[in-house]
Amino acid sequence: SAVISQKPSRDICQRGTSLTIQCQVDSQVTMMFWYRQQPGQSLTLIATANQGSEATYESGFVIDKFPISRPNLTFSTLTVSNMSPEDSSIYLCSVGKGPLQPTYGYTFGSGTRLTVV
Amino acid sequence: QQQVKQSPQSLIVQKGGISIINCAYENTAFDYFPWYQQFPGKGPALLIAIRPDVSEKKEGRFTISFNKSAKQFSLHIMDSQPGDSATYFCAASSPNSGSARQLTFGSGTQLTVLP
Repeated sequence: SAVISQKPSRDICQRGTSLTIQCQVDSQVTMMFWYRQQPGQSLTLIATANQGSEATYESGFVIDKFPISRPNLTFSTLTVSNMSPEDSSIYLCSVGKGPLQPTYGYTFGSGTRLTVV
Repeated sequence: QQQVKQSPQSLIVQKGGISIINCAYENTAFDYFPWYQQFPGKGPALLIAIRPDVSEKKEGRFTISFNKSAKQFSLHIMDSQPGDSATYFCAASSPNSGSARQLTFGSGTQLTVLP
């Protein structure tokens, strides 16, 4: 399975600022996803990062707040903009196989633990 | 409805015992049911997965039981060990035409195995 490197692993940020999280995969992957995991909670999909086109956002998440880049098949970034304490969460990058395929083996990065003060 | 309902929220088992975590779903289009294990400070890691065309899948001490008619599936951890102490998430996905498969996660179960 793919190996994901996610940076930074953790950060403490001031409210009103922005943080960009990087996700690097050791092989080309079709689909990359960004999830949020609030403390002690389950994982919520933020968006699907599409290579060469705009990301597809889930209900409750908007591009202005969570802009995503996907310049190639091995790299993506998620920016958390104009942060507030409510954005304190773990943000996770995940990769899977192509659309309409049984995606045995979604792989997750170790996550970025964000604290907004 | 895309929900996957998971229970119990927390589970304490003695070493050597059997840990059982249950999940139920509504969406009959789901056709892939993985279980993830997450240790503190780490991302979820795929543990075992099943398709609905089989009723059971076993890998080592981990077994998924699947009941298609009841729309339920469960994870059994045999001979539970303290190293199994982690949070377990069930998940499900369905094919979305023209889009990526997305995982819908259960709420998670915090498993503690006592030595």
